[in-house]
Amino acid sequence: NAGVTQTPKFQVLKTGQSMTLQCAQDMNHEYMSWYRQDPGMGLRLIHYSVGAGITDQGEVPNGYNVSRSTTEDFPLRLLSAAPSQTSVYFCASSHRQDSSYEQYFGPGTRLTVT
Amino acid sequence: AQKITQTQPGMFVQEKEAVTLDCTYDTSDPSYGLFWYKQPSSGEMIFLIYQGSYDQQNATEGRYSLNFQKARKSANLVISASQLGDSAMYFCAMRAFMNSGYSTLTFGKGTMLLVSP
Repeated sequence: NAGVTQTPKFQVLKTGQSMTLQCAQDMNHEYMSWYRQDPGMGLRLIHYSVGAGITDQGEVPNGYNVSRSTTEDFPLRLLSAAPSQTSVYFCASSHRQDSSYEQYFGPGTRLTVT
Repeated sequence: AQKITQTQPGMFVQEKEAVTLDCTYDTSDPSYGLFWYKQPSSGEMIFLIYQGSYDQQNATEGRYSLNFQKARKSANLVISASQLGDSAMYFCAMRAFMNSGYSTLTFGKGTMLLVSP
């Protein structure tokens, strides 16, 4: 199993550009989520999904869109990038039946908006 | 709302010594879970250890143990016999349930551990 994969690993955008961060998992996990990590802070939840076709907002959703058309994929879209969105983005997945709800993280995408 | 507090921004330890990383939490949920993750300089998040609120014994995983004191709402990570490869950022996190029933994680701000030879 590849686990959770994210592409790209690094990205530089100009203010106002749009892009999609890709996330895929091959563990058949129902739950998927996107976090961002800023310096001096832990990870904060952006959006999450409990299954295909079902998404909801987390703690910091503004400026981001998500959709979940398949169990495997959960892309994160930046509609109009802003410097405040410079961050490291992590995708994570977990199995609904796992009593600990352990989350498996992807390797992260480092995004810089100039 | 859940909250995780890690009061040590940085910790230093010598190789082969034990070190304790502090974590306190706040929640009104009777059922919760606590996690520790390691983030090396390469950036990935590595799961270390988990403790459920109803677990009777403290969790252990190799050189890692979780000192769980429920009444004090603390879940400290103990690393025995530190190694140079333990140098990393360490995050304490708590399982949090959203309105939809989905379980996510609330993270502390982290503790940077540096292990010296």
